Amino acid sequence: DGGITQSPKYLFRKEGQNVTLSCEQNLNHDAMYWYRQDPGQGLRLIYYSQIVNDFQKGDIAEGYSVSREKKESFPLTVTSAQKNPTAFYLCASTDILGAEAFFGQGTRLTVV
Amino acid sequence: RKEVEQDPGPFNVPEGATVAFNCTYSNSASQSFFWYRQDCRKEPKLLMSVYSSGNEDGRFTAQLNRASQYISLLIRDSKLSDSATYLCVVYPILTGGGNKLTFGTGTQLKVEL
Repeated sequence: DGGITQSPKYLFRKEGQNVTLSCEQNLNHDAMYWYRQDPGQGLRLIYYSQIVNDFQKGDIAEGYSVSREKKESFPLTVTSAQKNPTAFYLCASTDILGAEAFFGQGTRLTVV
Repeated sequence: RKEVEQDPGPFNVPEGATVAFNCTYSNSASQSFFWYRQDCRKEPKLLMSVYSSGNEDGRFTAQLNRASQYISLLIRDSKLSDSATYLCVVYPILTGGGNKLTFGTGTQLKVEL
């Protein structure tokens, strides 16, 4: 079955550590996105990529980095420069024409 | 001005009521529009796409008004299970690339007995 998979579902990080969140899709979608959601808030765009080896900053890119070496994969690294990383992170993908977005189940990151 | 704006609510309505949400967008070049539903602590899921001619799916009706740059969602005969956050999504076609999905902040609906 086609879909988009995020892992891990829950992640705990010590302050000062970098962590990488995984996002894999087998939908053959060109575009992939990372969003952050804080409690009671909407989705804020961190980074997005429309094609392999290319990506753009979203609205809140500071303290995050991404790569898009393969069409299927769009990992997000939360660096130690991100001062308030505790949040729910969602990965999504669409075909390049902007049809329905498919979401992963999310990763809940907590700084301990 | 935000690219996509929604009234955050919450909208508290009794079961069986009709409720409507609006969402305004700022980019007149926007091409695709969607309503998503998000349950607490879960990922958003597509509720329906929004077409210029309007579209209906059971108790749900979506409308697009390009002249005024807003989309709407109407829920008739609301059920307890409709309680969720409803997200408006706009996909603009920008010149020079940089197309991206843009979400509204969501409108929270609580249906009560």
